[in-house]
Amino acid sequence: SAVISQKPSRDICQRGTSLTIQCQVDSQVTMMFWYRQQPGQSLTLIATANQGSEATYESGFVIDKFPISRPNLTFSTLTVSNMSPEDSSIYLCSVVSSGQGWIDTQYFGPGTRLTVL
Amino acid sequence: SQELEQSPQSLIVQEGKNLTINCTSSKTLYGLYWYKQKYGEGLIFLMMLQKGGEEKSHEKITAKLDEKKQQSSLHITASQPSHAGIYLCGAERRAGYALNFGKGTSLLVTP
Repeated sequence: SAVISQKPSRDICQRGTSLTIQCQVDSQVTMMFWYRQQPGQSLTLIATANQGSEATYESGFVIDKFPISRPNLTFSTLTVSNMSPEDSSIYLCSVVSSGQGWIDTQYFGPGTRLTVL
Repeated sequence: SQELEQSPQSLIVQEGKNLTINCTSSKTLYGLYWYKQKYGEGLIFLMMLQKGGEEKSHEKITAKLDEKKQQSSLHITASQPSHAGIYLCGAERRAGYALNFGKGTSLLVTP
């Protein structure tokens, strides 16, 4: 399994500003994902951030709004740019790592709870 | 695109009772995950199923993937207040490991 930490755990921001969320993993992983969970909703994939390649964004998400860095196999950042109240969500990173029986399993971080005023 | 439907949307059970949550996919499932989420927090991995007919158990929670690989169920035996939370099923996309999620089932266990 993998242990994932995220910073900050929560933040309250003013509209028009930007916030960078960090995701740190305790082991080297190739595949990493960023998801968003809007209030009362389920998780939606924002982008895939595999080390060594540019992030791949899902329909409805663009690099200018959600730039992602993946400098090494244990770390990634997601920036939420020019924020509006609609960006208020929980942002979660996840990684694929060996689980029980050496089967690739997806684990999630604790999330970053963002409120935009 | 794949759609996952979870039922019921919410559930209130008395402590000690058994319960089942279902997750039905519009397409064949290649990997089906079950997670538990406490309000406003991250996802706790419960189990992952890949093979048709597969069944896994951990403590009082059992998950099954049907033979046709389009439906999964999560069964909790003798529920406890610690089981309360939101249960989410997630399905691997055919290409890559990214997941599509159901809308979740909110579980409350009363004393």
